[in-house]
Amino acid sequence: EDQVTQSPEALRLQEGESSSLNCSYTVSGLRGLFWYRQDPGKGPEFLFTLYSAGEEKEKERLKATLTKKESFLHITAPKPEDSATYLCAVQAQAAGNKLTFGGGTRVLVKP
Amino acid sequence: DAEITQSPRHKITETGRQVTLACHQTWNHNNMFWYRQDLGHGLRLIHYSYGVQDTNKGEVSDGYSVSRSNTEDLPLTLESAASSQTSVYFCASSETGELFFGEGSRLTVL
Repeated sequence: EDQVTQSPEALRLQEGESSSLNCSYTVSGLRGLFWYRQDPGKGPEFLFTLYSAGEEKEKERLKATLTKKESFLHITAPKPEDSATYLCAVQAQAAGNKLTFGGGTRVLVKP
Repeated sequence: DAEITQSPRHKITETGRQVTLACHQTWNHNNMFWYRQDLGHGLRLIHYSYGVQDTNKGEVSDGYSVSRSNTEDLPLTLESAASSQTSVYFCASSETGELFFGEGSRLTVL
């Protein structure tokens, strides 16, 4: 059974204070690892897909990295508008097009 | 712009009533999914479809059903609503990779 665990559950940061979110996964053959951002009352918004260990993707202050067991979402010099819940999901090779999600990390960036 | 829309956005119903949540996408995607999101459980897959007339059960399918009569729509039906089905429901679609989500439907079962 595919499993995704995200830590920490919640993170409070001061504006400009860089940090990292962790996504640990167990999957029988990784086809892709996905990061999403979710604002309150909204649907998840796609950020990145990572396909193989060593791969990195960047978007503004966000950088996602991937190893064989986990992925990190690094937030560099965050701003209050980066406050959101960040979700990680995996797509297994044997699971067709389904995604299995972790519980998410709630990030609050204070000015 | 292509999009995915859900309706209603908010609904309150009573235990035992039948409820249908609508999902319509204009991406022309073959794959459509229904997830529920609850505190402490994250997003859990209810049902999914890979094309017209194709439907499959997810990890939490008991008490729910879907039908796929065209590419654009995947309605989710709760045959007899239960309080345990109070949740936020998200519809999503995809081609081969990332899922694109709707804005969600908040359902309260009293």
